[in-house]
Amino acid sequence: NAGVMQNPRHLVRRRGQEARLRCSPMKGHSHVYWYRQLPEEGLKFMVYLQKENIIDESGMPKERFSAEFPKEGPSILRIQQVVRGDSAAYFCASSPGGKLSDTQYFGPGTRLTVL
Amino acid sequence: LAKTTQPISMDSYEGQEVNITCSHNNIATNDYITWYQQFPSQGPRFIIQGYKTKVTNEVASLFIPADRKSSTLSLPRVSLSDTAVYYCLVGEVKAAGNKLTFGGGTRVLVKP
Repeated sequence: NAGVMQNPRHLVRRRGQEARLRCSPMKGHSHVYWYRQLPEEGLKFMVYLQKENIIDESGMPKERFSAEFPKEGPSILRIQQVVRGDSAAYFCASSPGGKLSDTQYFGPGTRLTVL
Repeated sequence: LAKTTQPISMDSYEGQEVNITCSHNNIATNDYITWYQQFPSQGPRFIIQGYKTKVTNEVASLFIPADRKSSTLSLPRVSLSDTAVYYCLVGEVKAAGNKLTFGGGTRVLVKP
């Protein structure tokens, strides 16, 4: 049973370019969460999605960041017009449902470097 | 919104027990407490989860007092490979939106 998959594992972008990060949840999981981890810092919640729905995006920056989780295919975190401050590790986690006791399982992360 | 705090770092020696306490004064009635382990350049790995009292699995124990304003992760007989950053996560997941708060992480160094 494959775990949470993220790709690419490493992504390099120049300032002003777009970054697309993909997350495939564990089989049978319909809930996806995105987190950002700046160097030497902890994890910060960004957004929580179910299939075709954004449930909570209170941790997302208001501009340039968007996320989706279509009916088919992976969840996408999209960062437009990247800036150096966007350099971080982005982790996605999935859970089977929205029950209080559902555990989140994390992917290996995508490390974004903005030159 | 639950605010979680944990010690920044902790040193130990092989074979000792390590206890890490996370404070979550504003924990809500429905919040669960989950602990994760993270190695460099890897995603967090689930260790243990609990709601109240004590939970034990093959790798750790989790102690939660009656008021649930804190929780303690206990790692018995640590080895060098337990050197990692440990995070507590306090959160309530619900249809209208979740509130998930990670602690800042505790960097545990196990020495030989």
